[in-house]
Amino acid sequence: LAKTTQPISMDSYEGQEVNITCSHNNIATNDYITWYQQFPSQGPRFIIQGYKTKVTNEVASLFIPADRKSSTLSLPRVSLSDTAVYYCLVGASNTNAGKSTFGDGTTLTVKP
Amino acid sequence: NAGVMQNPRHLVRRRGQEARLRCSPVKGHSHVYWYRQLPEEGLKFMVYLQKENIIDESGMPKERFSAEFPKEGPSILRIQQVVRGDSAAYFCASSPLGTPGLDGTQYFGPGTRLLVL
Repeated sequence: LAKTTQPISMDSYEGQEVNITCSHNNIATNDYITWYQQFPSQGPRFIIQGYKTKVTNEVASLFIPADRKSSTLSLPRVSLSDTAVYYCLVGASNTNAGKSTFGDGTTLTVKP
Repeated sequence: NAGVMQNPRHLVRRRGQEARLRCSPVKGHSHVYWYRQLPEEGLKFMVYLQKENIIDESGMPKERFSAEFPKEGPSILRIQQVVRGDSAAYFCASSPLGTPGLDGTQYFGPGTRLLVL
């Protein structure tokens, strides 16, 4: 299973764009990259998922280079409520290797 | 469309007792995952189940822990003879089967916080 590496913490200010990069050098051909957000005392919440190139939804963008050995979650114009832990997850659920590997997460603190 | 339900939300047990954690997946989801999260740490995979089958239990301690996902009813994570080190938040997640483009997407429940006294 692909191990992921993320920065332990990041600080930002309201209104700024935040980019969190995750390294996954051993990503497998059939692995997807998924990002989750977790607030204290809550379960993780799905943010975005991608396989290659760029994916964008209403809350974030995900950039994946051609070699897929890393990915970058981009949060545009963060607010105080974006303060949370962000997890990069690499894996596939439709095979016997249903387990996906969570990293230790990146604690994002957004300041006023 | 209800999300993943877990109960109880909080559970207090004394050392040596049994803890039973229940998880009802999103309707129509046939894949269930259990994770454990210690304070200030990330989620650690425990077990992956499909209906009536354990697919991967490599993250689950060999003793005292068991999990099931019966044909009918919720998935159960059972911890026998609990010890203080079992105190943690236990999260359940479910995922759909064969949804194109959504491989790996897991929908998490609110968790059960177990405290062993």
